[in-house]
Amino acid sequence: EVHLLESGGGLVQPGGSLRLSCAASGFTYTNYAMTWVRQAPGKGPEWVSAISGSGDATYYVDSAKGRFTISRDNSKNTLYLQMNSLRPEDTAVYYCARESSSARTFDYWGQGTLVTVSS
Amino acid sequence: EVVMTQSPGTLSVSPGERATLSCRASQSVGTNLGWYQQKPGQAPRLLIYGASTRATGIPARFSGSGSETEFTLTISSLQSEDFAVYYCQKYDNWPQDPMYTFGQGTRLESK
Repeated sequence: EVHLLESGGGLVQPGGSLRLSCAASGFTYTNYAMTWVRQAPGKGPEWVSAISGSGDATYYVDSAKGRFTISRDNSKNTLYLQMNSLRPEDTAVYYCARESSSARTFDYWGQGTLVTVSS
Repeated sequence: EVVMTQSPGTLSVSPGERATLSCRASQSVGTNLGWYQQKPGQAPRLLIYGASTRATGIPARFSGSGSETEFTLTISSLQSEDFAVYYCQKYDNWPQDPMYTFGQGTRLESK
């Protein structure tokens, strides 16, 4: 059974940093691209960043470029999101998700971790 | 940038009835369209990809249609567990760089 478990969320001041982790199990991790999607309170999901199965290709939404870094450790089946220079508008539940092998949709999601950026 | 617009914002339908949800893209996305269901406190759940293909384990009462800029999610006979928020999502095919955009959602409520 596929399982994704995020951790690392919390309260951080504007300008601060946070590192999210997502532990994956139940599938051949290196065969799948992985992604981070966030959802602000009462809003729809917003794609943040994606990384290829090998980790050699990374992609970001414009608002995350230069501030966030996605990475993965395939020896530990773990996905990361390093978030720097955080802003109040980054406040959201952050989900990790697996990109389907059939189409660029997200077929499995974690339960999410809440990031709150506030002074 | 492609903008995805869903309508209506809220849809009230009685259990057992049919629900029809719409999603419009600001420019053609072919059939690169997915639908998700989200219940309170839960992550989104993939229902449909490729505009019309049901994801693994999704009941046959869920169906998707459309192409280019106009898409529809139909739930043929609403069950109590179907009342939720539904999102459409546009995506780009490999090997293009990914750019995923979600709609703002349609809340499906029991009438």
